[in-house]
Amino acid sequence: DSGVTQTPKHLITATGQRVTLRCSPRSGDLSVYWYQQSLDQGLQFLIQYYNGEERAKGNILERFSAQQFPDLHSELNLSSLELGDSALYFCASSVEIDGPSGNTIYFGEGSWLTVV
Amino acid sequence: AQKVTQAQTEISVVEKEDVTLDCVYETRDTTYYLFWYKQPPSGELVFLIRRNSFDEQNEISGRYSWNFQKSTSSFNFTITASQVVDSAVYFCALHSGGGADGLTFGKGTHLIIQP
Repeated sequence: DSGVTQTPKHLITATGQRVTLRCSPRSGDLSVYWYQQSLDQGLQFLIQYYNGEERAKGNILERFSAQQFPDLHSELNLSSLELGDSALYFCASSVEIDGPSGNTIYFGEGSWLTVV
Repeated sequence: AQKVTQAQTEISVVEKEDVTLDCVYETRDTTYYLFWYKQPPSGELVFLIRRNSFDEQNEISGRYSWNFQKSTSSFNFTITASQVVDSAVYFCALHSGGGADGLTFGKGTHLIIQP
């Protein structure tokens, strides 16, 4: 158990709909990351938050958005869903912002999203 | 740009054999971090190891060992006396100290341990 909690574990929704994925980071971790894993794209970095502020953006679509709340949990919002958005979405957390000292990034169990 | 190459898409061995998973990385940063993660069939990503670029010492943890060689930009992972429970997809990942764009993952190696 990594200590990173993601809900829901599985989600099936229709095209055009909107869903919200939730993540609770490990206790004490200020940095939260979102990743997408699909068969054709592999593991792709979407976005990172640190202590409530957006820190870095990766290959995140404009239809997707995220935020980190004062209690440090984070949500990833996916809207106008398409079939190609079907994937495993991971949240990860680490204790400090990325930097020369480095840190270990722990992943949650993921949220399986199926768009039909 | 950063890149991680795991050339072995799939490896199949018989239980108790030793197996090495290759990882080659590219980065222009002098400070970076290398990771290995295990993804069993259940789907979660399990952290195995992190190695800093300024520490080239190899590491052993039980049946697992890692060989980091900056000269060849490689960070290989060896499982000794493999077991069926080792069957999983293994990912090598890179993060540079100067960047804030998350981990760059390789495409993964699917390891199958046959009983």
